[in-house]
Amino acid sequence: EPEVTQTPSHQVTQMGQEVILRCVPISNHLYFYWYRQILGQKVEFLVSFYNNEISEKSEIFDDQFSVERPDGSNFTLKIRSTKLEDSAMYFCASSDPGFVSNQPQHFGDGTRLSIL
Amino acid sequence: QQQVKQSPQSLIVQKGGISIINCAYENTAFDYFPWYQQFPGKGPALLIAIRPDVSEKKEGRFTISFNKSAKQFSLHIMDSQPGDSATYFCAASNIDNTDKLIFGTGTRLQVFP
Repeated sequence: EPEVTQTPSHQVTQMGQEVILRCVPISNHLYFYWYRQILGQKVEFLVSFYNNEISEKSEIFDDQFSVERPDGSNFTLKIRSTKLEDSAMYFCASSDPGFVSNQPQHFGDGTRLSIL
Repeated sequence: QQQVKQSPQSLIVQKGGISIINCAYENTAFDYFPWYQQFPGKGPALLIAIRPDVSEKKEGRFTISFNKSAKQFSLHIMDSQPGDSATYFCAASNIDNTDKLIFGTGTRLQVFP
């Protein structure tokens, strides 16, 4: 079964450094998402991306965050200058358009980001 | 208004018993209600989903009950098994909001043999 893959599985970074989290969505999917989950808390929406542009972003997704689809397969989340509070599990998800909205979102296994 | 409230926070069930997890929402624009199952170290995996035009959906041992007037929906796991031990998240999305998922706070289910 096709799956969303994320790399690395664990990223340790010094505060203030830039970090790039990578995702390979399911190949025929056209909608892409990033979510984060702080340890022990709920999964929170960060950003959605369609047709090479951001569709929607949450309050969390400030100027330090950016997303990019650099080629036909990868989808990346960049945090420009990491803060301690960015420590979380980051999940990438993708869905296919179908003929109606609300197609199931398929999640990767996440990247655990630890900021020191 | 975008919140989804989930209860209980944790649930312990004997093998063979019924596990029930409840969620409530306020935004009447929500029109898609999935449940996700998450095992430690893994991403959320879609378990079952419902739209508000039906009051119940069943897939195997998993059933969603939906009460549109009360703005509540629940997950029932029949004949609970130790392999069902995981964290369960309800979620909701709105067709007009690019389908971002608003998640509940999660329920940690433990099924003992």
